[in-house]
Amino acid sequence: ETGVTQTPRHLVMGMTNKKSLKCEQHLGHNAMYWYKQSAKKPLELMFVYNFKEQTENNSVPSRFSPECPNSSHLFLHLHTLQPEDSALYLCASSQVGRDTFQETQYFGPGTRLLVL
Amino acid sequence: AQKVTQAQTEISVVEKEDVTLDCVYETRDTTYYLFWYKQPPSGELVFLIRRNSFDEQNEISGRYSWNFQKSTSSFNFTITASQVVDSAVYFCALSEATAAGNKLTFGGGTRVLVKP
Repeated sequence: ETGVTQTPRHLVMGMTNKKSLKCEQHLGHNAMYWYKQSAKKPLELMFVYNFKEQTENNSVPSRFSPECPNSSHLFLHLHTLQPEDSALYLCASSQVGRDTFQETQYFGPGTRLLVL
Repeated sequence: AQKVTQAQTEISVVEKEDVTLDCVYETRDTTYYLFWYKQPPSGELVFLIRRNSFDEQNEISGRYSWNFQKSTSSFNFTITASQVVDSAVYFCALSEATAAGNKLTFGGGTRVLVKP
């Protein structure tokens, strides 16, 4: 596998279900990100993990719970979601160094989530 | 706060026509990076280019070219002799350095439809 992979690619869940999205990066990067892309809003940053530490939570509801067990893997645990949470969830990774703003983020293919 | 505006929501062209995508940004930072990403129907965001705020040279890569004008805060993207495979949504993004890593602010995207 190369680049950033995400599973599953598609997910349909009910509002009472619990599911998890998985992201894996094969680029040797040390920072990982979750983004939400819905039809009505631009790409929104949800969470940032830097060296496995969560360093940003962009006012995301607690029904979304991220987990980063190591620098290559990132999970997004979902529970009691709402229909408005239906969106494309994208994972990205980058290499954080001294000049953080120059790093390029590389994205996975996304998980298309539908909440019924 | 940073902001990226892509005023064109959708552009439709016939194959072999040139197409220019506009991107205007706002930032108070003196040093920043700008990015363009392509999102084909498969969903993955594909990195196209990164440009540093101190480098105003135009760049050409095959059929793609970028015009960075710091005086007007614009970073426009031109596809020359468009092809059907260029059909996608294109996003312009602006980086913000944080301790957490590279925080990207995305524009709303421009959908390009290239007809045969």
